[in-house]
Amino acid sequence: GEDVEQSLFLSVREGDSSVINCTYTDSSSTYLYWYKQEPGAGLQLLTYIFSNMDMKQDQRLTVLLNKKDKHLSLRIADTQTGDSAIYFCAENQGSARQLTFGSGTQLTVLP
Amino acid sequence: DGGITQSPKYLFRKEGQNVTLSCEQNLNHDAMYWYRQDPGQGLRLIYYSQIVNDFQKGDIAEGYSVSREKKESFPLTVTSAQKNPTAFYLCASSVMWGANYGYTFGSGTRLTVV
Repeated sequence: GEDVEQSLFLSVREGDSSVINCTYTDSSSTYLYWYKQEPGAGLQLLTYIFSNMDMKQDQRLTVLLNKKDKHLSLRIADTQTGDSAIYFCAENQGSARQLTFGSGTQLTVLP
Repeated sequence: DGGITQSPKYLFRKEGQNVTLSCEQNLNHDAMYWYRQDPGQGLRLIYYSQIVNDFQKGDIAEGYSVSREKKESFPLTVTSAQKNPTAFYLCASSVMWGANYGYTFGSGTRLTVV
């Protein structure tokens, strides 16, 4: 099947902004999602964006969507040590009614 | 509160044994999924079910079996045929209607072969 792609690692300093990028595959996806996984835990839905939106902001999180390039990004402002986790993007592929996940980006926040 | 519960959190299996991982949800979701996650890797789909009494193989179904006798429950059995079962197992559920069917995940079961 087609892949949703993410870079594997990102390191930032505490207090800086983090930007996690994702390239998805299905131009007909109606929703795109960001999940957070802390060590030893399940995935927690952070936020999602509807495909007719370009941007969605939720407190420290900003999601940007470029449909032309099939590019999704998650910006975390004022990154804290508690933000250290793996972040997965996912797209829905309508006909199968399933989500396709990227491989996850390990975010490390340095003091 | 509605949610999805996986048990046990940790499970140890001897060589040649079958073990069953539990997944229960009270979200009234129709679809349920099992994923395997290995260290430093993403999610790989084992099995999924979109309706009671029906389920489909995912990408890595060999050595695993499931049942879906009730809407709320989707247990996963790791059989002795699975040669490398040590991994973190995640269960998820979702609705089957509307355009927004983001998954809700359980907290996972870590299976170790001893």
